[in-house]
Amino acid sequence: DAKTTQPNSMESNEEEPVHLPCNHSTISGTDYIHWYRQLPSQGPEYVIHGLTSNVNNRMASLAIAEDRKSSTLILHRATLRDAAVYYCSFSGTYKYIFGTGTRLKVLA
Amino acid sequence: DVKVTQSSRYLVKRTGEKVFLECVQDMDHENMFWYRQDPGLGLRLIYFSYDVKMKEKGDIPEGYSVSREKKERFSLILESASTNQTSMYLCASILRDRAGMNTEAFFGQGTRLTVV
Repeated sequence: DAKTTQPNSMESNEEEPVHLPCNHSTISGTDYIHWYRQLPSQGPEYVIHGLTSNVNNRMASLAIAEDRKSSTLILHRATLRDAAVYYCSFSGTYKYIFGTGTRLKVLA
Repeated sequence: DVKVTQSSRYLVKRTGEKVFLECVQDMDHENMFWYRQDPGLGLRLIYFSYDVKMKEKGDIPEGYSVSREKKERFSLILESASTNQTSMYLCASILRDRAGMNTEAFFGQGTRLTVV
């Protein structure tokens, strides 16, 4: 069964880096890896995506393992507004697979 | 600003009713997906469509059907609502790259459906 595996929850102190892990061992060679976050009462919103190389944008960084079977979303300095559920996913031509997500708690 | 709009934020329906959940996107995307979201289960794919009048079953299609008569609109239909279909329903419109691969997904706000 195609799926992603993430820890149910994680905690971080405010202003510290956060590393959110994800396993996607069934990913195909051409599938993109994505990360989304979901705030309460909202739909998921895009954070970042990549294929093989590590990626950076203004929100986060994405580190992709060499075999592409896992990835890590990095929030460089967690803020209270980063408290959310983070979903790792991968997509191909006719698929878009999500996992169960990680609930990130940020402590002031 | 890109938009995916779901017709209702909250719905309460009775067991056995036929329920229509509507989703409209203004981005001219070919691909649209319907998911349901339940605590501890994440997002599970119900149906998706990659073109007008085209539809494919996802992981949990039982009890659901879909309609895609126009490119911008993708409807999810609960033929006879049951209490186990109480859930959050999320519609996504997907951007494809030049190779036809799904890239960024744009989600609606979700419809929280309660079946009583």
